[in-house]
Amino acid sequence: DVKVTQSSRYLVKRTGEKVFLECVQDMDHENMFWYRQDPGLGLRLIYFSYDVKMKEKGDIPEGYSVSREKKERFSLILESASTNQTSMYLCATGQRNQPQHFGDGTRLSIL
Amino acid sequence: GESVGLHLPTLSVQEGDNSIINCAYSNSASDYFIWYKQESGKGPQFIIDIRSNMDKRQGQRVTVLLNKTVKHLSLQIAATQPGDSAVYFCAENIGRDDKIIFGKGTRLHILP
Repeated sequence: DVKVTQSSRYLVKRTGEKVFLECVQDMDHENMFWYRQDPGLGLRLIYFSYDVKMKEKGDIPEGYSVSREKKERFSLILESASTNQTSMYLCATGQRNQPQHFGDGTRLSIL
Repeated sequence: GESVGLHLPTLSVQEGDNSIINCAYSNSASDYFIWYKQESGKGPQFIIDIRSNMDKRQGQRVTVLLNKTVKHLSLQIAATQPGDSAVYFCAENIGRDDKIIFGKGTRLHILP
């Protein structure tokens, strides 16, 4: 089975802090994705990556950046956290024309 | 525009009955469709997928039907069980890249 591990299940940070969310996969998949999930808005794509050192903006990249230094690890960075970034963050991994596999999410609260 | 939607936000079904969850998509270029199940406190879990060259695919207790004429996708769950309670998402891929567009989700509620 594909295993996608997100470093924290719950995280509380303060406005203005730099926040790192980590995601690791064990299946050697090329593609990795970061989403946020909010009630009534569904899953929205923030950033994705097709390979090491590559990144592409998703639908809502503002206020975020990403890092993919190794194939198995994809980090989401909130440069200066704001309260509107309080959300559930989901990492996913996949291969071309195959379903994406998700981690269990990080519930991030920005105070 | 490109969108994937669901007809009902909440569906209540008697335990043991069959459940049918519907989804409409708007992009006729979509060629790959996926259903996910999300239980409380967990990430979406892959259930079943179907490609545009098929109109039906069956799994264990689940069947996905694809009607490309009316751009409609459905998930049928046979003999619904309490463990089927979750939010179900349909998703589509239009083939240009590996991005997937998700619907808003339908909550399936099982009545005892």
